Amino acid sequence: DGGITQSPKYLFRKEGQNVTLSCEQNLNHDAMYWYRQDPGQGLRLIYYSQIVNDFQKGDIAEGYSVSREKKESFPLTVTSAQKNPTAFYLCASSIPGGSPLHFGNGTRLTVT
Amino acid sequence: QKEVEQNSGPLSVPEGAIASLNCTYSDRGSQSFFWYRQYSGKSPELIMSIYSNGDKEDGRFTAQLNKASQYVSLLIRDSQPSDSATYLCALTSPQGAQKLVFGQGTRLTINP
Repeated sequence: DGGITQSPKYLFRKEGQNVTLSCEQNLNHDAMYWYRQDPGQGLRLIYYSQIVNDFQKGDIAEGYSVSREKKESFPLTVTSAQKNPTAFYLCASSIPGGSPLHFGNGTRLTVT
Repeated sequence: QKEVEQNSGPLSVPEGAIASLNCTYSDRGSQSFFWYRQYSGKSPELIMSIYSNGDKEDGRFTAQLNKASQYVSLLIRDSQPSDSATYLCALTSPQGAQKLVFGQGTRLTINP
């Protein structure tokens, strides 16, 4: 079955450490996205990529980095520069042109 | 003014009644509109897409779009306890059709 796989489901890190969240899709979608969700809040866009080897900053890119070396994969690194990294991180993909997003199951990151 | 505004709720509706969820947006250039349902601790799932003015029905769900008044709504008929969730309104950003902008969500509770 096609879908988006995020791993791990839960992640715990100490402050000051970089951490990479995995996102893999087998839907053959060109576009991929990373959103962050804080408790009781909507989704805020971190980065998105419309094609391999290209990506753009979203609304809250500071302290994050991404890569898009393969169509299927769009990993997100939360760096030590991100001041409030504890959140629920959602990866999504879509076909181009205003189509709806398909979401993975999310990774809940806790930094202490 | 936020790009997408929703009443955060909570909205409480008796079982069997109609639940009405509303969303307003600021930019007239938005073309595609979506409603997502999100259960606590889970990722959002798409329940409705609407692209042109008027009503779109799918089972117990009806999406309504009025571009002149810049609002989109979701009606849930014969509400069930399993409809209790947070409902997120989303739309494509006029700055780039690949970007989806989300409201903060409305928490809906269906009371048996």
